Amino acid sequence: GENVEQHPSTLSVQEGDSAVIKCTYSDSASNYFPWYKQELGKRPQLIIDIRSNVGEKKDQRIAVTLNKTAKHFSLHITETQPEDSAVYFCAANTNSNTGKLIFGQGTTLQVKP
Amino acid sequence: EPEVTQTPSHQVTQMGQEVILRCVPISNHLYFYWYRQILGQKVEFLVSFYNNEISEKSEIFDDQFSVERPDGSNFTLKIRSTKLEDSAMYFCASSDRDITTDTQYFGPGTRLTVL
Repeated sequence: GENVEQHPSTLSVQEGDSAVIKCTYSDSASNYFPWYKQELGKRPQLIIDIRSNVGEKKDQRIAVTLNKTAKHFSLHITETQPEDSAVYFCAANTNSNTGKLIFGQGTTLQVKP
Repeated sequence: EPEVTQTPSHQVTQMGQEVILRCVPISNHLYFYWYRQILGQKVEFLVSFYNNEISEKSEIFDDQFSVERPDGSNFTLKIRSTKLEDSAMYFCASSDRDITTDTQYFGPGTRLTVL
């Protein structure tokens, strides 16, 4: 069935280091991959997304890479700051064309000052 | 910047009672969704809604659940007879799903506690 696997479940880095979170998806028809940041008790906030017609997208300190052949995509955060600490979710759409998103299990990122 | 809004922020109810969760999507959006998140777990899809009808629903969305767009602005999720396991954060999302993006914008959520 439709599934998105996300690793690691927790990640602790020093301020200024890079952080990488990886996801794999099962539906080969998926063509849209957003990343959401969720702070405690808050709504998921879209931070970056990528469509399947590109392999990489960058927005300041955040980048996402996509390997359609291997069905995996990754979030890269450079020069991490304490305010980057949050839970990050990857997601993928499905072949149903309804916009439904399947989410990964989430990664709790802690950036230590 | 327009945002999705939801009311109430927190709803406490007794098992077996009906609850209605309300959402106001972004005004020019046409696609609407409900997701839920049990504490500490991932976000799970419940239902998608377009052109005044359900376009897809998950296994979670059984006969106890229903959605409605009663007017031009509100989008509601009704749970007819709540169970303990319905306790979760419920997020509404909306999208305009134009040709370049499927971006979904999430509301702040309603925390439902079933006692």
